[in-house]
Amino acid sequence: GAVVSQHPSWVICKSGTSVKIECRSLDFQATTMFWYRQFPKQSLMLMATSNEGSKATYEQGVEKDKFLINHASLTLSTLTVTSAHPEDSSFYICSARDSGTELEQFFGPGTRLTVL
Amino acid sequence: GQNIDQPTEMTATEGAIVQINCTYQTSGFNGLFWYQQHAGEAPTFLSYNVLDGLEEKGRFSSFLSRSKGYSYLLLKELQMKDSASYLCAAMDSNYQLIWGAGTKLIIKP
Repeated sequence: GAVVSQHPSWVICKSGTSVKIECRSLDFQATTMFWYRQFPKQSLMLMATSNEGSKATYEQGVEKDKFLINHASLTLSTLTVTSAHPEDSSFYICSARDSGTELEQFFGPGTRLTVL
Repeated sequence: GQNIDQPTEMTATEGAIVQINCTYQTSGFNGLFWYQQHAGEAPTFLSYNVLDGLEEKGRFSSFLSRSKGYSYLLLKELQMKDSASYLCAAMDSNYQLIWGAGTKLIIKP
């Protein structure tokens, strides 16, 4: 089956620092990857759609200068939370869509970010 | 606009059957997904329906009616490990997933 990895699994950082989260599709090529954020007891919130080789498409209300997304290859997308603040503490989940099927999204295991 | 509705929470007894309903409104339609999400973990794929009817997969089945914009997930022989949130998501004409808020299923002994 299709596998998506995320690194790190959890991270604690100080307020004002930047954190980079990697999302990799391990056994398939992903033209499109998605970044979600999930606060406790709430559903997934799509932050942005990441397309290989082009700029990400951000959802309304998501600051593109704060959440930098780079999708430089068909197997890797990165999300950088810049100048993190405690309110950015959340569960960040990526998913990848197999370029061949264009249907199912395969989710990474998620990254729990805590900003002190 | 695009919208997904599903109940916030349901409770069922171990060994019983539970049906989680989902209604959707999307711009175009390319299928309906169900995902399971345990607390603190990422969602895992359960089922995909694009044609009307029932798809059975072990203890879990999923039904779709495109004309009614309606789907349900049926869980049989409930086990304690089935306690989780169940997310309904419809894929629109742009192949984007529109997510429901999720149904928290509580299984009691």
